Amino acid sequence: NAGVTQTPKFRVLKTGQSMTLLCAQDMNHEYMYWYRQDPGMGLRLIHYSVGEGTTAKGEVPDGYNVSRLKKQNFLLGLESAAPSQTSVYFCASSSMSGESYEQYFGPGTRLTVT
Amino acid sequence: AQSVAQPEDQVNVAEGNPLTVKCTYSVSGNPYLFWYVQYPNRGLQFLLKYITGDNLVKGSYGFEAEFNKSQTSFHLKKPSALVSDSALYFCVWTPLVFGKGTRLSVIA
Repeated sequence: NAGVTQTPKFRVLKTGQSMTLLCAQDMNHEYMYWYRQDPGMGLRLIHYSVGEGTTAKGEVPDGYNVSRLKKQNFLLGLESAAPSQTSVYFCASSSMSGESYEQYFGPGTRLTVT
Repeated sequence: AQSVAQPEDQVNVAEGNPLTVKCTYSVSGNPYLFWYVQYPNRGLQFLLKYITGDNLVKGSYGFEAEFNKSQTSFHLKKPSALVSDSALYFCVWTPLVFGKGTRLSVIA
């Protein structure tokens, strides 16, 4: 049981380049999330998904796109990277059945945009 | 707007002393409040949660938290701090609103 995995772990991009971050979970969770963590700002929700084929915007969605084609995968895309997107990105998943709601987090992806 | 506040950026405590990490909330609807811990270069790990029921909830590693509706608080506590408790702690109104985090430093 791997839990939540993220690839890649590190990436350096030049301004204007594009990339996709992959999140995978093997817990059959309905909900998946992408956050960014910046110093002194906690985690901020970028996008989330409540099920396969559905996505929704979070607090800071601009400059990012997401897709959830399969229940176990949640992709975060940057079409044209900017230095302001330098951050650590975390993926999480959760079940919203019963009284669970606990989120399981991946190890993070450290992205630097130069 | 929904918000979760952690008024202290840093908390320092001596090993063996009790610790408190503060959290207040302003949310509408059910206050599904969680505490997560983040060790350096790691993802967040679940500590404890309040959904319904007893206001005092017990969690991992000897931590507990008290949900106080009148004071809109959900402070994290531990009777005796360990150096290994040093980490970044987040109070969360799951899954949408995170506090900014409090760095706990336990000094031997």
